[in-house]
Amino acid sequence: GAGVSQSPSNKVTEKGKDVELRCDPISGHTALYWYRQSLGQGLEFLIYFQGNSAPDKSGLPSDRFSAERTGGSVSTLTIQRTQQEDSAVYLCASSPTGDFSPLHFGNGTRLTVT
Amino acid sequence: EDQVTQSPEALRLQEGESSSLNCSYTVSGLRGLFWYRQDPGKGPEFLFTLYSAGEEKEKERLKATLTKKESFLHITAPKPEDSATYLCAVQANNNNDMRFGAGTRLTVKP
Repeated sequence: GAGVSQSPSNKVTEKGKDVELRCDPISGHTALYWYRQSLGQGLEFLIYFQGNSAPDKSGLPSDRFSAERTGGSVSTLTIQRTQQEDSAVYLCASSPTGDFSPLHFGNGTRLTVT
Repeated sequence: EDQVTQSPEALRLQEGESSSLNCSYTVSGLRGLFWYRQDPGKGPEFLFTLYSAGEEKEKERLKATLTKKESFLHITAPKPEDSATYLCAVQANNNNDMRFGAGTRLTVKP
């Protein structure tokens, strides 16, 4: 079937505005991850969902960032009151179980805060 | 704290010139070490998983090896289509996340 789908692919927003980024994982994958990739940097872990368990939010950089996963499928990453340092590519990935299984990534949302 | 360091940051090769990429890691209990390939404007694509020291995996011109402190991605007789950024990631026993290195940007000239 289809791979991981992210939308929008590009988002330009003004400083102080809120943004929502969407991720549709591969059907049947129970684990879902959000990462942030800044220019020339490695991927920075943000949040992890596994089935019906409480999400691991340990990577969220501030309380302006939040994420939810509805019905164990689609996930939305919300950034409130965006700052210029939030500019990056936000990548979503899913995996069948989360343990030992590799991640399947979407192509990301490139966020630019002006 | 878990750490992953990749070297070199960038590597330019002539077509057919074999070389190796390095991934050094510090992790409290390795669950798995992963190699990904990332093309510009795309998400990373899975290549290999290695679980224990001494393990090796091969795919076409690529071979990944693992020791207790580092992993190598050997590329034999590379072609221009092998040009990409190669990312290494580790998953620890006590963590849900994968810790990624900054990557090695490989360019293969014809």
